[in-house]
Amino acid sequence: EDQVTQSPEALRLQEGESSSLNCSYTVSGLRGLFWYRQDPGKGPEFLFTLYSAGEEKEKERLKATLTKKESFLHITAPKPEDSATYLCAVQARYSGGSNYKLTFGKGTLLTVNP
Amino acid sequence: DADVTQTPRNRITKTGKRIMLECSQTKGHDRMYWYRQDPGLGLQLIYYSFDVKDINKGEISDGYSVSRQAQAKFSLSLESAIPNQTALYFCATSGTSGGADTQYFGPGTRLTVL
Repeated sequence: EDQVTQSPEALRLQEGESSSLNCSYTVSGLRGLFWYRQDPGKGPEFLFTLYSAGEEKEKERLKATLTKKESFLHITAPKPEDSATYLCAVQARYSGGSNYKLTFGKGTLLTVNP
Repeated sequence: DADVTQTPRNRITKTGKRIMLECSQTKGHDRMYWYRQDPGLGLQLIYYSFDVKDINKGEISDGYSVSRQAQAKFSLSLESAIPNQTALYFCATSGTSGGADTQYFGPGTRLTVL
């Protein structure tokens, strides 16, 4: 069974204080690992897809990296507007048409104080 | 305009009532999904559809039904609402890009069943 564990559950940073969020996963053949941002009461907003170990992607102050067992979301010099819940999800290479399925972690609630 | 829209955005109903949540998308995707999100439980898949004639149950389909009226429209119905169906409901669509099936979420419907 695919599993995704995110840590920490909550992280409080001061503006400008860089840090990383962790996503550990277990999957039988990774098709893709996804990062989403979710603001309270709103739908998850797609950030990145990573496909293979060693891959990195960046968007503004965010940088996602991937190894064979985990992914990190690095936040450089965060601002208060980066406050949100960050969700990680994996998609496995299944046969028989099941390769659509996303297994989500429970998320990391990031708060950035001014 | 948003690529994935949901109506209504908020709904309060009473136990036993039938309600319908609607989802429309302009992304041109064939695949559409319905999820519910409860605090502490993460996102759970209710139903998914790969095209107009293909509808499948997800992890938690009991008490729900769906209708795919067109490629761009996917509705979720609660035949007889009960209080434990109080949750945030999200529609998502996906298309294959770069080898993975990236899902894009709508803004959500907050449903309260009294």
